Amino acid sequence: ELKVEQNPLFLSMQEGKNYTIYCNYSTTSDRLYWYRQDPGKSLESLFVLLSNGAVKQEGRLMASLDTKARLSTLHITAAVHDLSATYFCAADRMGGGADGLTFGKGTHLIIQP
Amino acid sequence: DAGVTQSPTHLIKTRGQQVTLRCSPKSGHDTVSWYQQALGQGPQFIFQYYEEEERQRGNFPDRFSGHQFPNYSSELNVNALLLGDSALYLCASSSELGLPGELFFGEGSRLTVL
Repeated sequence: ELKVEQNPLFLSMQEGKNYTIYCNYSTTSDRLYWYRQDPGKSLESLFVLLSNGAVKQEGRLMASLDTKARLSTLHITAAVHDLSATYFCAADRMGGGADGLTFGKGTHLIIQP
Repeated sequence: DAGVTQSPTHLIKTRGQQVTLRCSPKSGHDTVSWYQQALGQGPQFIFQYYEEEERQRGNFPDRFSGHQFPNYSSELNVNALLLGDSALYLCASSSELGLPGELFFGEGSRLTVL
């Protein structure tokens, strides 16, 4: 059974600081996804990482994937208040399976002025 | 270009009742997946429909069933509701032509079971 663990689950940080959210998964998976969810809203796709060593950047967010370590990271550079949200990573077994996407519990990020 | 739309947005039911939730996928998408998100948790996969058939299923009881129509829209049905079924139900659509596995989510239907 594929398991996905995120840490930290809660993060409060100041504007201007850098931080990294970690996502570990338990079995072989070459596909990793990051989503953002604002309170009471749906999930917005941020990054799709499809191969070992993949790195993608959008604004102040950068995501990477290391399939050998079964680890993905979401790095926040010079945080701003608008990035406050809950961030989820999700993994998908290559070729699909019975599980669809398996999500972590999410990292609740608060960025304070 | 309309995204994924779901209805109703909120509903309240009592234990033992049945509920039907509806989803229209993003234009051009042919695959619909349903997820349950309990408060403070990540979404959990219920099932996925493609070409009007259930293609994958997560670890949910048979009380959860679904359907996909020829126009790719989908329904999620839950019978014999339990208090624990209270959650946000998210529909997501995708296409074989897009990035592998990338899902586009609707706003969700928030179900409260009393």
